[in-house]
Amino acid sequence: LAKTTQPVSMDSYEGQEVNITCSHNNIATNDYITWYQQFPSQGPRFIIQGYKTKVTNEVASLFIPADRKSSTLSLPRVSLSDTAVYYCLVGYRRGSTLGRLYFGRGTQLTVWP
Amino acid sequence: DADVTQTPRNRITKTGKRIMLECSQTKGHDRMYWYRQDPGLGLRLIYYSFDVKDINKGEISDGYSVSRQAQAKFSLSLESAIPNQTALYFCATSDSGTPYEQYFGPGTRLTVT
Repeated sequence: LAKTTQPVSMDSYEGQEVNITCSHNNIATNDYITWYQQFPSQGPRFIIQGYKTKVTNEVASLFIPADRKSSTLSLPRVSLSDTAVYYCLVGYRRGSTLGRLYFGRGTQLTVWP
Repeated sequence: DADVTQTPRNRITKTGKRIMLECSQTKGHDRMYWYRQDPGLGLRLIYYSFDVKDINKGEISDGYSVSRQAQAKFSLSLESAIPNQTALYFCATSDSGTPYEQYFGPGTRLTVT
């Protein structure tokens, strides 16, 4: 399973757009990229998943360049409630060969008023 | 009612005691997982189960055992608790078609003294 590298922490202010980049140089052809959000003392919550180019949902956008060695989670107009840890995950989307999941240490995003 | 529930939510136990953490889900998912979270270390996979008869070790299974009593129930046991098993434990579920879209329970905070 491809390991990932993310910044340990980021700061932003309310109303700004936040971009969190994740490096995954060893990503395999069948690997998908998934992001989770975790608030203190809660379980992680699935945000978005993608394979290439751009994926958008009601919460965030995910940008994946052509070489797929990195990805960027974009949060538009953040609010204080977006303060959380964000995890980037790389691995198979389908099939029964799912093995060790690696969440890594994530990125602590702090949004200031 | 929550889709994934965990009991107990908090537990303090002594070294050497046997303890069981329970997880139940109403999402109808076939896959269930147990994770452990330590401060600054992200989440690490302990065990996972694809169905009632299929249980697999994760990256940190030593000192733990599991039981999948039914599709909706997955229990984690510490046969002889030790202080370094003090952590936050999460149960999660997913559908086999989307294994990376996992739904997490609220967590169990375990303290071993």
